[in-house]
Amino acid sequence: DGGITQSPKYLFRKEGQNVTLSCEQNLNHDAMYWYRQDPGQGLRLIYYSQIVNDFQKGDIAEGYSVSREKKESFPLTVTSAQKNPTAFYLCASSIPGRVLYEQYFGPGTRLTVT
Amino acid sequence: AQSVTQLGSHVSVSEGALVLLRCNYSSSVPPYLFWYVQYPNQGLQLLLKYTSAATLVKGINGFEAEFKKSETSFHLTKPSAHMSDAAEYFCAVSDRQGGSEKLVFGKGTKLTVNP
Repeated sequence: DGGITQSPKYLFRKEGQNVTLSCEQNLNHDAMYWYRQDPGQGLRLIYYSQIVNDFQKGDIAEGYSVSREKKESFPLTVTSAQKNPTAFYLCASSIPGRVLYEQYFGPGTRLTVT
Repeated sequence: AQSVTQLGSHVSVSEGALVLLRCNYSSSVPPYLFWYVQYPNQGLQLLLKYTSAATLVKGINGFEAEFKKSETSFHLTKPSAHMSDAAEYFCAVSDRQGGSEKLVFGKGTKLTVNP
């Protein structure tokens, strides 16, 4: 089955450590997105990538970094510079210009930093 | 920039009652509009989308939404609530800037269904 995989489901880290969240898709989609979700805040865009080897900052990119070396993969690193990293992180993908902005979401990773 | 306002962060209905979740958008160009549903600790699933065809859009699980340009609204409805409808619902509007396609999401409405 085609879809988006995020691993792990739950992740725990100590403050001051960098952590990388995985996102893999086999939908052959060109565009991929990372969102952060906090209670009552909706989804806020962290980074997005329309094609391989290219990505843009979203609304809350500070303290995060990404790479897009392969079409299928878009890992997100939460650095120690992110002041409040505990949140639910969602990855999504879409086909730019063809399915009218519709995005497909992964199951999410809940990150807890103590 | 495009924006979405969802009126009511929490809505509670009885099983079998009408569900009405409100969404108003702000867009400088004709928008594409979406409703997504999220069950606890899961990703988002598309319920329905408006893409400038019919103004009344039917989605999955008996939900539908009506695009009203004059009111800049895209409210989500279901005639009869079921216990399984309890979830959080997000409205989203398309945003195209500099060749990049994005979605702007509302803050969500959590639906509770009482037996």
